[in-house]
Amino acid sequence: DGGITQSPKYLFRKEGQNVTLSCEQNLNHDAMYWYRQDPGQGLRLIYYSQIVNDFQKGDIAEGYSVSREKKESFPLTVTSAQKNPTAFYLCASRGTGLGELFFGEGSRLTVL
Amino acid sequence: GDSVTQMEGPVTLSEEAFLTINCTYTATGYPSLFWYVQYPGEGLQLLLKATKADDKGSNKGFEATYRKETTSFHLEKGSVQVSDSAVYFCALSERDTGRRALTFGSGTRLQVQP
Repeated sequence: DGGITQSPKYLFRKEGQNVTLSCEQNLNHDAMYWYRQDPGQGLRLIYYSQIVNDFQKGDIAEGYSVSREKKESFPLTVTSAQKNPTAFYLCASRGTGLGELFFGEGSRLTVL
Repeated sequence: GDSVTQMEGPVTLSEEAFLTINCTYTATGYPSLFWYVQYPGEGLQLLLKATKADDKGSNKGFEATYRKETTSFHLEKGSVQVSDSAVYFCALSERDTGRRALTFGSGTRLQVQP
């Protein structure tokens, strides 16, 4: 089935370590997005990519980095510069329709 | 910038009760509007959508009407079930930005008791 696969589902990290969250899609979508979800705050945009080899900062990009070397893949690295990385991270892609986003199952990162 | 405001939760209802979750928005132009649902530990699933004024989106017994005059997109269901317990997010499409992302409300948790 077509969709978005995020891994790992749960991740624990020690302070000072970088971690990379994987996002793969087989929907043939050009645009991909990373959102962060905190309790009671909705979703906030971290980074987005409209096309391969191009990506842009969202509203809360500090302490994060991404790459977009393949259409199917949009990994997110949470660096040690991110002051409060414990959160639920959601990857999404957008087709050419009415602007709706398709989401993966999410990755929950906990910093110990 | 664009923003979405939802009623705070949790909303607690008995099974078969009527549900309304309020959503209002601020945006330039005429965005598309969406309701997403999130079950515990999962990602977001699109519940329904509307692209222009007076459009009504509907799915699984849920409905919402795009009201331009009140800038609202309230979610309703005539008879909720325990299985409807989840967090509901209202969102709008960013029409005037190059990123074409969605702006989300803070979410409303619905708890349905048997």
